[in-house]
Amino acid sequence: GAGVSQSPSNKVTEKGKDVELRCDPISGHTALYWYRQSLGQGLEFLIYFQGNSAPDKSGLPSDRFSAERTGGSVSTLTIQRTQQEDSAVYLCASSLYSSVNTEAFFGQGTRLTVV
Amino acid sequence: GESVGLHLPTLSVQEGDNSIINCAYSNSASDYFIWYKQESGKGPQFIIDIRSNMDKRQGQRVTVLLNKTVKHLSLQIAATQPGDSAVYFCAENSGSARQLTFGSGTQLTVLP
Repeated sequence: GAGVSQSPSNKVTEKGKDVELRCDPISGHTALYWYRQSLGQGLEFLIYFQGNSAPDKSGLPSDRFSAERTGGSVSTLTIQRTQQEDSAVYLCASSLYSSVNTEAFFGQGTRLTVV
Repeated sequence: GESVGLHLPTLSVQEGDNSIINCAYSNSASDYFIWYKQESGKGPQFIIDIRSNMDKRQGQRVTVLLNKTVKHLSLQIAATQPGDSAVYFCAENSGSARQLTFGSGTQLTVLP
């Protein structure tokens, strides 16, 4: 597609339920990031995928959070047993990996509300 | 600087004035820096980038300045317009980590 696509755009879930958030990166982009943004706050790094390398999971806040990237393209962020503090906008970004740094392109985000 | 749990710093400017948004970074190994603009309800959008072998780069109405000595980055917006109202984030990337680390952001409000 022309840009990074995230689905759903909005998700309301009950506390304790599991949710899956999807990210379709720009075709050909080998790097993929997940960030979390709470209302009025900055971007909190969650996880980074680069090609076939082991992902950098250093930003995942707890073992309830996991992510995978299948076939080097689509990524799914899963939050198990959701809590109210998980409510935030979850942003995905992709970039074209090369030896020279390039910018990351962001999707519109998924707004998660845990009630 | 600290960002978690704090409200975003704000900057208000009159339409037509120049804006300067500042960012301090902590990783001296960072070699690539980006400024993003985020409008309400949207994802961040790329504005301009600069590599560590440069100290200034200009785009259309925007200039980024990099001072590696004091680990400081600034974004200058010339003749600020209402459409410039948004949250502005700086991001840094160190070659070894490859991930982008974002600053806390600044809310720019353009007054008529």
